[in-house]
Order: sequence, then C-alpha cells, then structure tokens
Amino acid sequence: EDQVTQSPEALRLQEGESSSLNCSYTVSGLRGLFWYRQDPGKGPEFLFTLYSAGEEKEKERLKATLTKKESFLHITAPKPEDSATYLCAVSSNTGKLIFGQGTTLQVKP
Amino acid sequence: DTGVSQDPRHKITKRGQNVTFRCDPISEHNRLYWYRQTLGQGPEFLTYFQNEAQLEKSRLLSDRFSAERPKGSFSTLEIQRTEQGDSAMYLCASSLQGARGEKLFFGSGTQLSVL
Repeated sequence: EDQVTQSPEALRLQEGESSSLNCSYTVSGLRGLFWYRQDPGKGPEFLFTLYSAGEEKEKERLKATLTKKESFLHITAPKPEDSATYLCAVSSNTGKLIFGQGTTLQVKP
Repeated sequence: DTGVSQDPRHKITKRGQNVTFRCDPISEHNRLYWYRQTLGQGPEFLTYFQNEAQLEKSRLLSDRFSAERPKGSFSTLEIQRTEQGDSAMYLCASSLQGARGEKLFFGSGTQLSVL
C-alpha cells in the first residue's frame, strides 16, 4: 500500500535557525514527489515536484532533495513568514496524490 | 486566471441534513479531485474525475457521499444524512493530465461543521 510519513509532526525554530523536514515514502511506481505549503484555513500551495533520486530544487530559503526512499525539505535561515504546515505527497501509477500528515513549522522572531 | 474556487467557504449543518458543495476548477484542467482534511492531518483522497468520468473512488467513501462533474466543468460533492464524523475541510483540486506526475492546484476548501 502506498504510504507517506512525515517527521517531525511539529517544529519550532528561532528566526535564522536552519533545519530539515523529512518525508519517507513507499509507493509502487513513483511518478513524482511533491511538496506543498498550507497556511491555516487555506488550501495547499504547490512548492516543488521531484521526479528522480538525486534531484534537487530550490526556491528562496527552501531546498528539496530526493532519494529512493525519502525526501528532505531544507529551510535555510527561516523567517517568521515561513511558518506554515508543509505537506509531502507522492503521485503513484493511479495518478492521485497521497499525502503525509504534514509538519507544522513555527518560526519565532 | 481565477484559480480553483469552492463554494461555500463554511457550512454549518445539523446531523441528518444533506449538504452540497461546489467546485469550479481552472478552466483548461481536465482532472478534478476531491480531498477531505481533518485537523492535524494531511488531505485524504476521496475521488477524482477525468473530464466528466469518475475514474476512482476511495474505499473510505461511504454510500452517503456522491460526486458529479456534468459536462466536465464544475463539480459537486453531496453528503447525505450528515454525521458528526463528516466534520472536516473538503478540498477540491484540479490538474492538467501530464506524463510525469501532475501538479494539483487546490481551492481554499469548504469547512463543514456538523452539529
């Protein structure tokens, strides 16, 4: 069964304190691994898609990496506006996205 | 480009009542998805359409739930005889079918509270 597990569930950082979020997955036929950001009361907002092991993508203070079993979202020198829930999802052969439970990040000034 | 829009944003209903939600996808997108999300959890897949055809339904989707996408445009999700356990955020997403995975664009959701 396709499955996505994210850790930690919650993360508190001081402004400027870099860290990483983990996403472990098992899927039959990975078509893509996705990272989304979700603010309270809103729908998820697309960040990145990774397709193959070794691939990396960056956007401002965020960098996503992918191995055969997991993905990391690295946050460098975070700011309070980076506070949100970060969701990882995989796209399988059936086409739909399967999400993890998310990591809620709080960045204090 | 108006993005994915959902209506209503909030719905409060009494147990046993029927409710219907609407989703208008991005106009050129041929796939439309419904997800449900409870507090502290990631979105859970319910069902999806390719054009007007409903191609997959989650095993978790009870017979009280029904979704339609007439003419492959907007979609409605109806919940009959609502229960308190149906309280959740209902998210709609749309995408353009591609060869290497798909980028789903989400609406802001409909927050359902069943009293």
